[in-house]
Amino acid sequence: QSLLTQPPSVSAAPGQTVTISCSGSSSNIGNHHVCWYQQLPGTAPKLLIYDNNKRPSGIPDRFSGSKSGTSATLGITGLQAGDEADYYCGSWDTSLSVVVFGGGTELTVL
Amino acid sequence: EVQLVESGGGLVQPGGSLRLSCAASGFTFSNYAMNWVRQAPGKGLEWVSYIRSTSDLIYYADSVKGRFTISRDNAKNSLYLQMNSLRDEDTAVYYCAKDIVFGGSSQFDTWGQGTLVTVSS
Repeated sequence: QSLLTQPPSVSAAPGQTVTISCSGSSSNIGNHHVCWYQQLPGTAPKLLIYDNNKRPSGIPDRFSGSKSGTSATLGITGLQAGDEADYYCGSWDTSLSVVVFGGGTELTVL
Repeated sequence: EVQLVESGGGLVQPGGSLRLSCAASGFTFSNYAMNWVRQAPGKGLEWVSYIRSTSDLIYYADSVKGRFTISRDNAKNSLYLQMNSLRDEDTAVYYCAKDIVFGGSSQFDTWGQGTLVTVSS
């Protein structure tokens, strides 16, 4: 059971906006930054967002991140078919001294 | 080009051992913390272990503590994972992952392609 909780799946039509939530606690998200990964089928994860809301070079601004208290949110605007993937949030748990991931959210573009 | 290439995966019997390697290129390996992350078939990501750039700080997930050992050779730009007393539940694709900063931030900007470890009799 993951220490970070994500919805198992979300879906939306092309061009629309979708948000994916990640809920944690004061020992992880509440006191440490959050990142987000995209994993396309059959490939390694790719960093989308780090330090809660920063995008690595090459990540389009359609992807955004935010954090409030012990929760974080990934937003994707202008959905494209190529965005269909699994999305994972990640953080550090200061009580357990471990990296924690959410269980993953499967995004379907209808 | 920043690149990580894992090797050493394969089929091993329960109770057996395996050593994974990760060859790094395209960046100053000695400047970054490194990690191993695994993914069981059809499952989510599970962090396995962390090692600081200077090897003086190491962490493990409870699920592998006492059985797995992470190490690195900065002169060879290589990361390793020695896996002993392997169990069925260790079956997974193992990724090495580069942290975005020197000391480690638990955020990984480069991942290898993964190497499959199958534990089965």
